[in-house]
Amino acid sequence: AQSVTQLDSQVPVFEEAPVELRCNYSSSVSVYLFWYVQYPNQGLQLLLKYLSGSTLVKGINGFEAEFNKSQTSFHLRKPSVHISDTAEYFCAVLSGGSNYKLTFGKGTLLTVNP
Amino acid sequence: GAGVSQSPSNKVTEKGKDVELRCDPISGHTALYWYRQSLGQGLEFLIYFQGNSAPDKSGLPSDRFSAERTGGSVSTLTIQRTQQEDSAVYLCASSLTGSTDTQYFGPGTRLTVL
Repeated sequence: AQSVTQLDSQVPVFEEAPVELRCNYSSSVSVYLFWYVQYPNQGLQLLLKYLSGSTLVKGINGFEAEFNKSQTSFHLRKPSVHISDTAEYFCAVLSGGSNYKLTFGKGTLLTVNP
Repeated sequence: GAGVSQSPSNKVTEKGKDVELRCDPISGHTALYWYRQSLGQGLEFLIYFQGNSAPDKSGLPSDRFSAERTGGSVSTLTIQRTQQEDSAVYLCASSLTGSTDTQYFGPGTRLTVL
C-alpha cells in the first residue's frame, strides 16, 4: 500500500521569502511522485513530477522538488514566493500495476502575506 | 486545446435523490479517473477507466455509486439515494494512456446533499 504524509497543514510566509513544503511517502513498488496546486475554486494543476533520472525536478512557476530515496521525501521549494502563490498544494504518489491511481496527501495551505 | 470539463459545476440535491455527474475528458485520452475531495477524507480515488472498461472500481464507497464511460469519451458518475456524507467535490481527470502519463484534472462538481 502507498501513502503520503504532508507534515504541515498550513504554512504562512511573507512575500519574497523562501518556502519549503514537506512531503514524505511510503511505497512498496516503483516510485512516481507528483506535486499539484489547487487555487481557490479551481481544479488541480500539475506543478512537477518525478518519474526517474535526476532527483532535482523543476516545475512551473519557479517551483522545484528533490526526490530523496533514503529519506523517502519529495519536498517542494521555491526561493521567493509571490502573493499569487497562495493556494493549496498536494503531494501525490502514483501506484503502478493495473490502475495508476494517485494517492494524495492531505494538502498544505500556503498563505503568502504582503 | 480544451481541457477536462465537468458538469454541472454545482449540484444541490435532497437526501434520497439520485444525481448524475458528467465528465468530458481531453480528446484522445484513453484513461479517465474519478476522485472525491471532502473535508474529512481529503482527495480519494474512486474509479479508473481504460477506454470503456473499468478495471479498478475499488474506491467506490458503496453500491449506491456507479460509473460508466461510453465511446471511450464521456463518463457519468451516478449516485443513487444520496446521503449527506456524499457531499463533496467530485473531480475527474484524464491522461493520454494511463501509466505514468500526467493526469489532467477538471474543475470539479460540488455536490451538496441537504
